[in-house]
Amino acid sequence: SYELTQPPSVSVSPGQTASLTCSGDKLGDKYASWYQQKPGQSPVLVVYQDTKRPSGIPERFSGSNSGNTATLTISGTQAMDEADYYCQAWDTSSSVVFGGGTKLTVL
Amino acid sequence: QVQLMESGGGVVQPGRSLRLSCTASGFIFSSYVIHWVRQAPGKGLEWVGFMSYDGSKKYYADSVKGRFTISRDNSKNTVYVQMNSLRPEDTAVYFCARETVEAIPYFDYWGQGILVTVSS
Repeated sequence: SYELTQPPSVSVSPGQTASLTCSGDKLGDKYASWYQQKPGQSPVLVVYQDTKRPSGIPERFSGSNSGNTATLTISGTQAMDEADYYCQAWDTSSSVVFGGGTKLTVL
Repeated sequence: QVQLMESGGGVVQPGRSLRLSCTASGFIFSSYVIHWVRQAPGKGLEWVGFMSYDGSKKYYADSVKGRFTISRDNSKNTVYVQMNSLRPEDTAVYFCARETVEAIPYFDYWGQGILVTVSS
């Protein structure tokens, strides 16, 4: 079965750029979505179809996907961005896979 | 506005059954696919499965195949997951999530989640 691998944790200083990666075999041939989840809350979509941002999501969130790696970039990271982030892709047309998640710490 | 609300969670003994419901509002329910996704305590998201919008196809994660059955009642704007032969490792918060109607779909709305605890 298809697997997506994310680093368990990433730390960033306020105002700096955070790069969260998601790796999978030929992931660039698929489309990746990213979800933000804060403690006790439901996931929230922040990037879809590799690079698109839903309405209401700040411009500091951006995405890319090439080769074996999709990346969520948060520019000018703010304290409110501290959360768990999950990448997601379709393994087949009928199977969904999530990465293990990355805990982003802003300190 | 779009809303998804799960119900039916609780504490259940290993080997027993439980049925969760996800009731939707704010959109044309019959045109959308609803997925179930779960999250064990302190762990990441795990896709559980979905049923096509017309009920003709069902797909499940290997971890629940043969034990969980997803169904839907478009007249009630509700999707169900019947969970049989429950195991302690099925303990999780269960979310329902709406799949967008696009060629490359993603999940644009999620419910608040409902806790299922499998314990003796």
